Amino acid sequence: GQNIDQPTEMTATEGAIVQINCTYQTSGFNGLFWYQQHAGEAPTFLSYNVLDGLEEKGRFSSFLSRSKGYSYLLLKELQMKDSASYLCAVMDSNYQLIWGAGTKLIIKP
Amino acid sequence: NAGVTQTPKFQVLKTGQSMTLQCAQDMNHEYMSWYRQDPGMGLRLIHYSVGAGITDQGEVPNGYNVSRSTTEDFPLRLLSAAPSQTSVYFCASGQGNSGANVLTFGAGSRLTVL
Repeated sequence: GQNIDQPTEMTATEGAIVQINCTYQTSGFNGLFWYQQHAGEAPTFLSYNVLDGLEEKGRFSSFLSRSKGYSYLLLKELQMKDSASYLCAVMDSNYQLIWGAGTKLIIKP
Repeated sequence: NAGVTQTPKFQVLKTGQSMTLQCAQDMNHEYMSWYRQDPGMGLRLIHYSVGAGITDQGEVPNGYNVSRSTTEDFPLRLLSAAPSQTSVYFCASGQGNSGANVLTFGAGSRLTVL
């Protein structure tokens, strides 16, 4: 079966760095997405990786290793507004998105 | 641009009632989809469309119908609501004719079936 695993919840301190991991087992691979979802709101796009390596976008970076079925989202200089759930999703060989359950990130002052 | 507009935001139904969740996008996106989001689970695809007149089933289509008569609109119909359909529903659209693109989500519709 197809599976996306990510931690249920993480806690970090304002100003610090946090890494949210995502491992996947899917039928084929056509890219990996990260979305941010604040409580009670819609998911919004953060990043897309299809090749191995690190993609940097401001305070957020996303890394992909296709051979290991692994990705992480790195958030630097954490702000209180970064408190949200972070959703990992993989595009399989049929171009269908398989979603993880999300990681709830709690930022403490 | 309004993006993706969903209505209603909240709805309470009794078992057996029917209703339609509306979704409209003004970005001329070919791809539109409906997801449900339940606690502790990833988003699950209900139905999707790659263009006007074309719809297909996702992972959890039972109990739901869709149609795509225009590029802009993609309503989701619950024919006979069941408590298992209590969930938050999201409509999402994307450029291109597959899910292989960045999705823009509506604000969500919280449905409770008693």
